[in-house]
Amino acid sequence: QKEVEQDPGPLSVPEGAIVSLNCTYSNSAFQYFMWYRQYSRKGPELLMYTYSSGNKEDGRFTAQVDKSSKYISLFIRDSQPSDSATYLCAMSARYTGNQFYFGTGTSLTVIP
Amino acid sequence: DAMVIQNPRYQVTQFGKPVTLSCSQTLNHNVMYWYQQKSSQAPKLLFHYYDKDFNNEADTPDNFQSRRPNTSFCFLDIRSPGLGDAAMYLCATSIDSGTDTQYFGPGTRLTVL
Repeated sequence: QKEVEQDPGPLSVPEGAIVSLNCTYSNSAFQYFMWYRQYSRKGPELLMYTYSSGNKEDGRFTAQVDKSSKYISLFIRDSQPSDSATYLCAMSARYTGNQFYFGTGTSLTVIP
Repeated sequence: DAMVIQNPRYQVTQFGKPVTLSCSQTLNHNVMYWYQQKSSQAPKLLFHYYDKDFNNEADTPDNFQSRRPNTSFCFLDIRSPGLGDAAMYLCATSIDSGTDTQYFGPGTRLTVL
């Protein structure tokens, strides 16, 4: 079983839709959860960083962590064509040293 | 703006011909990482430096080497590239421990002919 599972999509939504992206994980020790956005042929760009359970909001983006279910989500409200990218989840724990565990990414297309 | 810079952005090499990719950072972060990312796959950590301390992942092939001559620069050397080494190579930095956010450069796309 992979440490982090993420549905690769592709996901296609109309402009203005609410998008829900999700990852599940197996290691209950993970405490730090990140979402990265990666445009085609570019490096990942940090979107959200959360610690432990709960919600965090930043503009149109909301990150949600449910440690009891080992499940994290990224919600995008009022999606825009510029949101079209691959979204990677990543997580880590103190004991993992410098190791980040990444999902494989979900490809999102927002149609104008 | 503080950033992570990778050069070149695109590199073409021949099978077996050594190649060096470079990364520089103006963030003054202690940790620098090299990842390999193939199409539709998660980034795979190759190795990282915590300051001058080098840490190699167990499954990183011996064909891959790295150097960090100073805080700002880090190099990835591929001694004898094979067709399977064609990928995007990502450099990242973080302030300190693995729980700190990693900031990525734009990547170098390597093609092996």
